Amino acid sequence: AQKVTQAQTEISVVEKEDVTLDCVYETRDTTYYLFWYKQPPSGELVFLIRRNSFDEQNEISGRYSWNFQKSTSSFNFTITASQVVDSAVYFCALSANMNSGGYQKVTFGTGTKLQVIP
Amino acid sequence: DTEVTQTPKHLVMGMTNKKSLKCEQHMGHRAMYWYKQKAKKPPELMFVYSYEKLSINESVPSRFSPECPNSSLLNLHLHALQPEDSALYLCASSQDPGGKNSPLHFGNGTRLTVT
Repeated sequence: AQKVTQAQTEISVVEKEDVTLDCVYETRDTTYYLFWYKQPPSGELVFLIRRNSFDEQNEISGRYSWNFQKSTSSFNFTITASQVVDSAVYFCALSANMNSGGYQKVTFGTGTKLQVIP
Repeated sequence: DTEVTQTPKHLVMGMTNKKSLKCEQHMGHRAMYWYKQKAKKPPELMFVYSYEKLSINESVPSRFSPECPNSSLLNLHLHALQPEDSALYLCASSQDPGGKNSPLHFGNGTRLTVT
C-alpha cells in the first residue's frame, strides 16, 4: 500500500519569510517517484518537480528547493523569500506500485494550503 | 498557459440533464485521466485511458461515462447526476501510461454544480 502524509493543513507566512512544507511517504517499492504539485485558486494543478528513489540529491530551482531523505521517507519543499503569488494548495504525490493493469496510479497527500500575507 | 484544455470552465446542471465535459491535449501523450476533486480534498482518480483504450475505472457510477474519440481528446458524459457529484473535474495527461515517472499534466478543470 502507498500513503502520503502532509501533516500541515494550513500555513500562513508573511511575505519574504521562508516556509517549508512537509511530506512523508510510505511504500514497499524500492523504485518509486515523488512529485510536488501546486494548485492555485484557479484550480489547475501545476507540476513542480519529480524525484526518483535513487536520486537523493537536493534540488534548487530559483526560490524553490526540495530535500529528499530516504532514511526518514520525507520529501520536503522549501520556498525561500515567499511571495503572495506562492499562495496555493501544494500536493505531494507518490507513484510506486504498478497496479495489476500495469498503469501508473498516483497517490496524493491531502495537501497543504499556503497563505502568504503581504 | 496550460497544455491541457478543458471545457466548459463552469457547468450547472439539473439532475435530469445530460451534459458532457471535454478535454484536449496536443502534447502527444498516450495516457489521459479524469479526476474528481471535492473542496479541500486531493484529486481522486476516476478513469484512465491508455492508447485510447479504457484501462482503469475506479468503480465510478455509471452516470459518468468516459469516451476517448482519439489520442488527443477525452470526454466525460454526465447523466442523471446527484447533488453530491458537484465537484471540480480535472483532466490530465501523461506521456507514458505504464511508467511510474511520467508527471501528470492537468487542465484547469470544470467546476460542476448539480442542482
